[in-house]
Amino acid sequence: GAVVSQHPSRVICKSGTSVKIECRSLDFQATTMFWYRQFPKQSLMLMATSNEGSKATYEQGVEKDKFLINHASLTLSTLTVTSAHPEDSSFYICSARDPRGRGGRETQYFGPGTRLLVL
Amino acid sequence: AQSVAQPEDQVNVAEGNPLTVKCTYSVSGNPYLFWYVQYPNRGLQFLLKYITGDNLVKGSYGFEAEFNKSQTSFHLKKPSALVSDSALYFCATGFQKLVFGTGTRLLVSP
Repeated sequence: GAVVSQHPSRVICKSGTSVKIECRSLDFQATTMFWYRQFPKQSLMLMATSNEGSKATYEQGVEKDKFLINHASLTLSTLTVTSAHPEDSSFYICSARDPRGRGGRETQYFGPGTRLLVL
Repeated sequence: AQSVAQPEDQVNVAEGNPLTVKCTYSVSGNPYLFWYVQYPNRGLQFLLKYITGDNLVKGSYGFEAEFNKSQTSFHLKKPSALVSDSALYFCATGFQKLVFGTGTRLLVSP
């Protein structure tokens, strides 16, 4: 099936620094990728939709200047948490759709997630 | 607005017994419905989906789900649970944007 990878899997940083998370589609091209955030023991919340070659679309309440998204190629989207603070600590998960995947064009395939801890 | 609800925070079942994880939906028009499973500190794995067609959908690892329009439900089922099925299960709806339920933790005891 479709494979989506994320790097790093875990990151610890100091408050005020910026952290970049990469999301890659390994065996397919993804014009659209999605970034989610998951708090402990809670559901996933869509943060933004990343569109290759154009600006990301952010969900209501998500600060676009804080969570910078770049989708520079058909296989790579990056999420940069700028000036991170402890409240940004969370599990960040990306996804992409692979029309050739077993689930069909409607199905999103998820990366393994990145756990961010801001001290 | 589209939404799904998972009324149970946790479901406990003994290994070998059938399991059901409940999901109800509120969607205008024809729903796109999905089930995903999440193991600790991992991303979500796709189990199955309903778009159109047969109301009984078969998916990965022996799971299936039944779409019931009259009850607006899409319950996940498995005839015989395994200890390894213990995980967090999410129901979701949407196409461009996925909206997730709150998740149900399945605990299968030996």
